[in-house]
Amino acid sequence: NAGVMQNPRHLVRRRGQEARLRCSPMKGHSHVYWYRQLPEEGLKFMVYLQKENIIDESGMPKERFSAEFPKEGPSILRIQQVVRGDSAAYFCASSPWTARMNTEAFFGQGTRLTVV
Amino acid sequence: DQQVKQNSPSLSVQEGRISILNCDYTNSMFDYFLWYKKYPAEGPTFLISISSIKDKNEDGRFTVFLNKSAKHLSLHIVPSQPGDSAVYFCAASASEEGTYKYIFGTGTRLKVLA
Repeated sequence: NAGVMQNPRHLVRRRGQEARLRCSPMKGHSHVYWYRQLPEEGLKFMVYLQKENIIDESGMPKERFSAEFPKEGPSILRIQQVVRGDSAAYFCASSPWTARMNTEAFFGQGTRLTVV
Repeated sequence: DQQVKQNSPSLSVQEGRISILNCDYTNSMFDYFLWYKKYPAEGPTFLISISSIKDKNEDGRFTVFLNKSAKHLSLHIVPSQPGDSAVYFCAASASEEGTYKYIFGTGTRLKVLA
């Protein structure tokens, strides 16, 4: 059972370009979370998605950032017109649906975005 | 506002001794707590969790204690090993709030000295 897969591991973009980060959850997991870690900081929640549905996007910046988790395929975090301040490690996590809803999330290796 | 706080950015412990990592929270709706370990350039790895209906959960060398009245939890590692050197994050979620997102603390860097 493969873990959470994120690609690319490293992404370099020039200011103004678009960045697309992909996340394939663990098999059988229907919940995806995106987190951002700035240098020397903790993990900041960005967005929580289920298939075809955004449940909580309270941590997403209001502009330039969007996320989706389509019925088929990976979850995508899209950053338009990137700026230097977007440079960070972006982590995706997934968890299964359970009636109890208290369960751990499993993280991918992350995508390190560098904006030059 | 920081709902989950880890006030000690770093901790050094001698190999074989106990490591105690602390975490405080402010949201009384939190009912599930987790600890993750993170090595550089890797994703966080789940260690252990505890539900608010318990005050202790143990898994091998790792024990998590929850004090709901103080809104405080701690992770004990006994005995500490050099391979335990990593950044430890505590996290919390609130199932009653309709979203099951995990809120993380800022992490504590543990260094176990051989």
